[in-house]
Amino acid sequence: DQQVKQNSPSLSVQEGRISILNCDYTNSMFDYFLWYKKYPAEGPTFLISISSIKDKNEDGRFTVFLNKSAKHLSLHIVPSQPGDSAVYFCAASMNRDDKIIFGKGTRLHILP
Amino acid sequence: NAGVTQTPKFQVLKTGQSMTLQCAQDMNHNSMYWYRQDPGMGLRLIYYSASEGTTDKGEVPNGYNVSRLNKREFSLRLESAAPSQTSVYFCASSADKGHTQYFGPGTRLTVL
Repeated sequence: DQQVKQNSPSLSVQEGRISILNCDYTNSMFDYFLWYKKYPAEGPTFLISISSIKDKNEDGRFTVFLNKSAKHLSLHIVPSQPGDSAVYFCAASMNRDDKIIFGKGTRLHILP
Repeated sequence: NAGVTQTPKFQVLKTGQSMTLQCAQDMNHNSMYWYRQDPGMGLRLIYYSASEGTTDKGEVPNGYNVSRLNKREFSLRLESAAPSQTSVYFCASSADKGHTQYFGPGTRLTVL
């Protein structure tokens, strides 16, 4: 029973265009959401997060949008660069609990 | 400042053998975690330790034991390895519960 769902296993985007990665969650108690990026043979690295009291958080080329009523969040990367090719994991936690629940990941390919 | 380190990087075991995966962090973090990553399954929490002296089960604890040796170190032990434990294992740490987790580079384990 997946609580955090990333329904697109992979996504290909032209360099310079916008990449949009989507994530849905089922547990309305989640109040903190994170995106992690992972390159092959490396550990995941934290990218950006958002609290449920906000609907948008921006950090440079990366913006995360949260739609609580739809239980949906998205990560926008603008403009997409070759170094953005990686697997992106959406994650969520409740009450700033110890445990973070991860989605299965979306592999992003940035095409030249 | 090495962050989170894991040893070994690679290991091949035969069914029934035992081994311990080591993890250490130098960020003075209170919380530490062990995850496994399997193809198409994302990151699944095995065990975590919210603080020195405490450990709790995660989503997939069967077949594993952990020890929080001190604030810096958190080890994962496989007493009798099985082929189903073939995976990539990641250790992570966070300053406190609910804070961003920082991951090590991973240990790739194959059980024959």
